Amino acid sequence: DAGVIQSPRHEVTEMGQEVTLRCKPISGHNSLFWYRQTMMRGLELLIYFNNNVPIDDSGMPEDRFSAKMPNASFSTLKIQPSEPRDSAVYFCASKGFAANYGYTFGSGTRLTVV
Amino acid sequence: RKEVEQDPGPFNVPEGATVAFNCTYSNSASQSFFWYRQDCRKEPKLLMSVYSSGNEDGRFTAQLNRASQYISLLIRDSKLSDSATYLCVVDNSGNTPLVFGKGTRLSVIA
Repeated sequence: DAGVIQSPRHEVTEMGQEVTLRCKPISGHNSLFWYRQTMMRGLELLIYFNNNVPIDDSGMPEDRFSAKMPNASFSTLKIQPSEPRDSAVYFCASKGFAANYGYTFGSGTRLTVV
Repeated sequence: RKEVEQDPGPFNVPEGATVAFNCTYSNSASQSFFWYRQDCRKEPKLLMSVYSSGNEDGRFTAQLNRASQYISLLIRDSKLSDSATYLCVVDNSGNTPLVFGKGTRLSVIA
């Protein structure tokens, strides 16, 4: 089991550019979550999917953020246009049907917008 | 009131010490509880689930007090490698996302 795979690991981009973060959940997991982590705010849930369907995107900070899950093995989080305050670590996590086993997180994408 | 509250620390303890973290949660209907560990610049990883009867995994003991709505984590004989941030996590139902505390930072000093 390769775990949750995120790419890229690091991204440095200029303000105004489009950024796309990618996630491959663990095979067979039916829920996928996108989080953002900063020192000030901790882990914030941005959006989550059950069976590829977006369930709650109320954590998405602005319309500049969008997420898709076209199939069970792939999801993207897009920021367009990016701003310096978007700089953070973005984690993807997935969960199977059993509720008592928590989430498995990917290694994260460290985004810096200059 | 925040859903999950933890003392951010840092807790600075010498090797071999016993250290305990507490966490409180606001939703009395919460169903499942976890402790996650996050190393610097790494992802959170599940440390242990927390059961009503309390549970132990080596040097780590987790306790749940539903009446007072708090969870604790006890680490005995601290090692340098225990230095990390410990996140208290609550599952309000099987169908809603886990709720994460902001974490408690532990530094074990030689």
